[in-house]
Amino acid sequence: SYVLTQPPSVSVAPGKTARITCGESNIGSKSVHWYQQKPGQAPVLVIYYDSDRPSGIPERFSGSKSGNTATLSIIRVEAGDEADYYCQVWDSRSENPVFGGGTKLTVL
Amino acid sequence: QVQVVQSGAEVKKPGASVKVSCKASGYSFTGYYMHWVRQAPGQGLEWMGWINPNSGDTNYAKKFQGRVTMTRDPSISTTYMELSRLRSDDTAVYYCARDASHVVGATLDIWGQGTMVTVTS
Repeated sequence: SYVLTQPPSVSVAPGKTARITCGESNIGSKSVHWYQQKPGQAPVLVIYYDSDRPSGIPERFSGSKSGNTATLSIIRVEAGDEADYYCQVWDSRSENPVFGGGTKLTVL
Repeated sequence: QVQVVQSGAEVKKPGASVKVSCKASGYSFTGYYMHWVRQAPGQGLEWMGWINPNSGDTNYAKKFQGRVTMTRDPSISTTYMELSRLRSDDTAVYYCARDASHVVGATLDIWGQGTMVTVTS
């Protein structure tokens, strides 16, 4: 089964760019989805199929993949972006989603 | 407006069962699979299983097989997740989340608000 590796925490100053990574040896062959979860709230989809944004998600959020790593980038970070972020892929053999451990984004 | 709304918080004793509901609105209930995901306090997201609201077919995570049952009632656009033989480490927020594809395996695009289940003696 897949194990998605995320850094436990990332810190960034307001107005700068945050990059949150998600690593897995076969991630290049998988579609990666990203969720934002603010304290006390349900997760919200922010990026799907590697780099697509649902309606209502700011253009400041983008996704990319290179090699064994997928990356969620947030430009011009705001205080309101402070949240936990999870990556997710689909395990087609066991037909289930697999989540990364989550990354806490702190806006300094 | 596409949404899924879950039932309210529950407090249960160890060994009991809990049944959480998830009512869909704003879309074709039978057209999209529904997943259940839980989150223990301070922890990450843990997938529990999915149900096909059309056929009733299910797929459960190995960890929960034998303890979890997912059902649905298309007449009221509602899916249910029942977890039995509760333990203290089942204390968590339980979410239902819609699979974005008509066939399971896409992203989870619509999430319920979560249902807090507390297991305590």
